[in-house]
Amino acid sequence: GAVVSQHPSRVICKSGTSVKIECRSLDFQATTMFWYRQFPKQSLMLMATSNEGSKATYEQGVEKDKFLINHASLTLSTLTVTSAHPEDSSFYICSARTLFLAGGSAEQYFGPGTRLTVT
Amino acid sequence: GQNIDQPTEMTATEGAIVQINCTYQTSGFNGLFWYQQHAGEAPTFLSYNVLDGLEEKGRFSSFLSRSKGYSYLLLKELQMKDSASYLCAVRDRVDTGGFKTIFGAGTRLFVKA
Repeated sequence: GAVVSQHPSRVICKSGTSVKIECRSLDFQATTMFWYRQFPKQSLMLMATSNEGSKATYEQGVEKDKFLINHASLTLSTLTVTSAHPEDSSFYICSARTLFLAGGSAEQYFGPGTRLTVT
Repeated sequence: GQNIDQPTEMTATEGAIVQINCTYQTSGFNGLFWYQQHAGEAPTFLSYNVLDGLEEKGRFSSFLSRSKGYSYLLLKELQMKDSASYLCAVRDRVDTGGFKTIFGAGTRLFVKA
């Protein structure tokens, strides 16, 4: 199947600093990428949908100025957590969606996730 | 408001069939997703339903009834590796014209020999 990578896999940063997480689709083009957050033992929460060449669409309750998303190419989206605080510590996961096929379906592939710890 | 219900845990036997139900309440339904997630790992996309009916993909099938606010994920010929959490998620149109995707708490499936 298609591969999506994330970098870094783990990051520890100090409170007040910013952290950038990269999401790449390695063997396919993804016009749409998604960013999720998952706290320990909790379900996924979709943060935003990122479309190549346009502004990201944020879910209700997600601060767009705090979680900056850039989808500069068909294979790369980045999430920057600005002025991180301990409560931002979480598992951040991206996924990339392939183009819709003739039958109307599309596949969605997840990256391995980035575990962020803010101290 | 939005609400998604799915059973917390299920246990089934290797080789059997298991059905995981998901009921939801939305104001502007725009699609339902099923994901598989093994502990400590990122999820895997399983299916997407936007129209009523059954979508089959190998050992996995997903059913949707929009009028009943109901979906199920059917797993056939269960294997030990199917032990995982299965997440139901619904995309809902919100008042601002955008969308919000709500995830259920997940159903932990234990497959026993």
